[in-house]
Amino acid sequence: KNEVEQSPQNLTAQEGEFITINCSYSVGISALHWLQQHPGGGIVSLFMLSSGKKKHGRLIATINIQEKHSSLHITASHPRDSAVYICAVRSRRGSQGNLIFGKGTKLSVKP
Amino acid sequence: NAGVTQTPKFQVLKTGQSMTLQCAQDMNHEYMSWYRQDPGMGLRLIHYSVGAGITDQGEVPNGYNVSRSTTEDFPLRLLSAAPSQTSVYFCASSYSKLRPLPRWGYTFGSGTRLTVV
Repeated sequence: KNEVEQSPQNLTAQEGEFITINCSYSVGISALHWLQQHPGGGIVSLFMLSSGKKKHGRLIATINIQEKHSSLHITASHPRDSAVYICAVRSRRGSQGNLIFGKGTKLSVKP
Repeated sequence: NAGVTQTPKFQVLKTGQSMTLQCAQDMNHEYMSWYRQDPGMGLRLIHYSVGAGITDQGEVPNGYNVSRSTTEDFPLRLLSAAPSQTSVYFCASSYSKLRPLPRWGYTFGSGTRLTVV
């Protein structure tokens, strides 16, 4: 079983829809990251969470440490949000800085 | 611009050839790492470093070598390329210890698409 599971694997939405991507993990973590990978391949950091909720523009990320679960929400989705969204956790065990990645959720937003 | 510079963007190798993927960062990050990304799988850690002179293996280190002679540079060497090493490779850097916003994130290079024939 993967230590980081994301759902759904693929998601198609109409422009304007509210989108939720889920991430569950099975290890103790010091932080959880949400990343975005655009069709061109580049990866950018969206959020780092260790508790609670964060908001940046139309993106909202939440984490429930007790349930080992995080969600990424996109409000008023737009075709430019089309990308692969990757959840990654920084495990408390082992060496500093290593991330464990989910397989990603491919989001396609249709106009 | 501050960030992670990764070269080359594309490379085709023949089986048995060797090559070095370059990664450089100018943010004074202690932590640097190499990942490979394959279809249907999450990024997997190849090697990492927490400072100059310190390297360690990740999840999939076989067939790869690294060195960290300076804080800025972290090259990945393929010793004898094999078709199983066909992949997209990413270099990433970060501060080792968690720090207050906004300096928390990981910065990724733009990736190297490697094909071994």
